Amino acid sequence: KAGVTQTPRYLIKTRGQQVTLSCSPISGHRSVSWYQQTPGQGLQFLFEYFSETQRNKGNFPGRFSGRQFSNSRSEMNVSTLELGDSALYLCASSLGQKVDYGYTFGSGTRLTVV
Amino acid sequence: GQQVMQIPQYQHVQEGEDFTTYCNSSTTLSNIQWYKQRPGGHPVFLIQLVKSGEVKKQKRLTFQFGEAKKNSSLHITATQTTDVGTYFCAGSRNFNKFYFGSGTKLNVKP
Repeated sequence: KAGVTQTPRYLIKTRGQQVTLSCSPISGHRSVSWYQQTPGQGLQFLFEYFSETQRNKGNFPGRFSGRQFSNSRSEMNVSTLELGDSALYLCASSLGQKVDYGYTFGSGTRLTVV
Repeated sequence: GQQVMQIPQYQHVQEGEDFTTYCNSSTTLSNIQWYKQRPGGHPVFLIQLVKSGEVKKQKRLTFQFGEAKKNSSLHITATQTTDVGTYFCAGSRNFNKFYFGSGTKLNVKP
């Protein structure tokens, strides 16, 4: 059974650009959450989608957005990149409406903004 | 907003010594999960606690959820070098929005 797949694995962007990250959850998982991980701030919740609807949102500016498609694949977009957006972005999927069995994380996309 | 505080930030132990990390929440949690992240890796789910006062064991790992469902701990008995990594707790109030603790980085000296 394939795990959570995130693409790309690494990305280098310039300040002011925008970026789109992709996440394919485990087959059958309908919930996808996104987290930003930085050495100083740890794992910060971005948003969570279930059946194409955003159910929860973290405390990030509007430059961070996401969506989920009918096949449960999800994308997140960051516009007008800032240096502080450099981080590891992790996608996590879970089976149903409640995260009863824990998240399965992808390997992440490491974004560097220069 | 809801915060989950985790201590200590770092722990260095000699192989064979015990290790404990603690999580505290300012609000009552619906459940708490624990994850391990190896260096260079991604978090891997270890366990979930739901019931007040719950205690679960996985080999040398013991997980506890406080009676008030506001705190939790992970205890490792007789650490091994394979235990190296960062341990995170993640608490939720509604089972689907989780706040992660800052993690405890464990280093085990052989």
